[in-house]
Amino acid sequence: EAGVAQSPRYKIIEKRQSVAFWCNPISGHATLYWYQQILGQGPKLLIQFQNNGVVDDSQLPKDRFSAERLKGVDSTLKIQPAKLEDSAVYLCASSFRQGYSTDTQYFGPGTRLTVL
Amino acid sequence: GEDVEQSLFLSVREGDSSVINCTYTDSSSTYLYWYKQEPGAGLQLLTYIFSNMDMKQDQRLTVLLNKKDKHLSLRIADTQTGDSAIYFCAESISGYALNFGKGTSLLVTP
Repeated sequence: EAGVAQSPRYKIIEKRQSVAFWCNPISGHATLYWYQQILGQGPKLLIQFQNNGVVDDSQLPKDRFSAERLKGVDSTLKIQPAKLEDSAVYLCASSFRQGYSTDTQYFGPGTRLTVL
Repeated sequence: GEDVEQSLFLSVREGDSSVINCTYTDSSSTYLYWYKQEPGAGLQLLTYIFSNMDMKQDQRLTVLLNKKDKHLSLRIADTQTGDSAIYFCAESISGYALNFGKGTSLLVTP
């Protein structure tokens, strides 16, 4: 079974530029998460989707971050404009379905963003 | 959310047992997880325990849960150099996002 796919793996941009990340979850997984992991810390949730609807985006800095999951499968996360403090690894995770006992989250390899 | 607490570093010799401790915050957490992260890689699920259990064993891994003290531990038997990584404890209420600790960096020396 293929795991969670993410691209690109690495991205370097200058502050005030825009960037987008892509995630393809495990087939059949209805729930998709984006986490931000700053160096030396644990991942922090940015947004959670159930199919193509948003479950929780309370921690998403909406003035600069946006995310979508239009067909309930792939998702994109965008930052516009980027700030220095956005340098982090952006992790995508998926789980079978919210509320089920098998809702263990599986993570992709992450995208490492460096903002100069 | 509130902080899940873990010690930051642990060093053990190859062949010894490692014990990584975690204190979580939410008494209504349904699941408690241990993830492993190697350099430059994503998070690999190691094991999890449901909140109505107090112990789970999976090959070299033993998870102990003390709900009264909100304390979780991961024991790795016969630790190998390939076990060197960062280990994250995480809590969740079923169906919702994980609340992670800052991670424990495990160094296994020959």
